Amino acid sequence: EDQVTQSPEALRLQEGESSSLNCSYTVSGLRGLFWYRQDPGKGPEFLFTLYSAGEEKEKERLKATLTKKESFLHITAPKPEDSATYLCAVQANSGYSTLTFGKGTMLLVSP
Amino acid sequence: GAVVSQHPSRVICKSGTSVKIECRSLDFQATTMFWYRQFPKQSLMLMATSNEGSKATYEQGVEKDKFLINHASLTLSTLTVTSAHPEDSSFYICSARDSTRGGGYTFGSGTRLTVV
Repeated sequence: EDQVTQSPEALRLQEGESSSLNCSYTVSGLRGLFWYRQDPGKGPEFLFTLYSAGEEKEKERLKATLTKKESFLHITAPKPEDSATYLCAVQANSGYSTLTFGKGTMLLVSP
Repeated sequence: GAVVSQHPSRVICKSGTSVKIECRSLDFQATTMFWYRQFPKQSLMLMATSNEGSKATYEQGVEKDKFLINHASLTLSTLTVTSAHPEDSSFYICSARDSTRGGGYTFGSGTRLTVV
């Protein structure tokens, strides 16, 4: 069974204080690992897809990295508008495969 | 990018009534759409996979007769919660992927269902 564990559950940062969110996963062959941002009362917003260990992707203050067991979402010099819940999901390589989500990390950036 | 529209965003209904939620892919065709349910501070749980022109595939533990899914066209899937009860109150979200553009799965804005 595919599993995704995200840590920490919640993270409070000061504006400008860089940090990383962790996503540990077990999957029977990884097709893709996805990062999403979710604001309260909204659907998830796509950020990145990573496909193989060693891959990195960046978007503004966010950088996602991938190893064979985990992924990190690095947030550099965060701003209050980066406050949201960040979700990680994996998709296995089997013929019929859907996304398995973690519970998310709730990030709060204070000015 | 790909856009998925979900309607309504909020709905309150009485116990025993039915509620229909619509999910539309606005700028692409989606042969497959996904319906999720999310409880507070919990992860998204896949309820069912909606297939255009055929029956939906339900996840284990999801009642087919309670959560009716119809995917009659390449841009529209509907989820009907039948004979709703307070325990059905939750946040329902649909998703689809534009396979022609690659990238990730696009999600609708979600529907907050409250059954009173």
